[in-house]
Amino acid sequence: GAGVSQSPRYKVAKRGQDVALRCDPISGHVSLFWYQQALGQGPEFLTYFQNEAQLDKSGLPSDRFFAERPEGSVSTLKIQRTQQEDSAVYLCASSLDLTPGNTIYFGEGSWLTVV
Amino acid sequence: AQSVTQLDSQVPVFEEAPVELRCNYSSSVSVYLFWYVQYPNQGLQLLLKYLSGSTLVKGINGFEAEFNKSQTSFHLRKPSVHISDTAEYFCAASPLKGAQKLVFGQGTRLTINP
Repeated sequence: GAGVSQSPRYKVAKRGQDVALRCDPISGHVSLFWYQQALGQGPEFLTYFQNEAQLDKSGLPSDRFFAERPEGSVSTLKIQRTQQEDSAVYLCASSLDLTPGNTIYFGEGSWLTVV
Repeated sequence: AQSVTQLDSQVPVFEEAPVELRCNYSSSVSVYLFWYVQYPNQGLQLLLKYLSGSTLVKGINGFEAEFNKSQTSFHLRKPSVHISDTAEYFCAASPLKGAQKLVFGQGTRLTINP
């Protein structure tokens, strides 16, 4: 596709459920990022990949969060045993590569509500 | 580490009036600076970015921003706003070297009144 595609767009999960959020980056983009945006806040970095390698996961809030990109294209962010504080928009983004200053393109986000 | 502060959480203006959205940054290293716009229920879209060279950067939709190193600021301006500019605006920074990680400000909600 032309842009970064995320699914599902909206997800309601019961507390304790596991969720999986999918991201399809722009074709040919080597770098892929995940950000978390709480209501009324700016996005915060979670993790990023270069191809299939996860180079930085310092922003993942707990060991319940796990991200993968096994074939260097599509990525999945998994949240285990969801908690109410996990409610947020999860933004995926991609970039041609990790050259500083390159434009990072964002998807529309997956809105997660934990009830 | 970097931090970005957007001084106004909300800015209301009348249509066709000028607007300035303020952004200050703090960093121990040199940074690139960005402005993104987020329309309701949409993702972030890049408005403009400062990498080097001229401190006045022009972006899409008639927006421009000026990098001021001495004041560590990167304010966004538009001489005449339109109803369609109603959105959330985010200032962000990333280091010149190393990981391409964006650090965002809290956002400024721009509301255009007719």
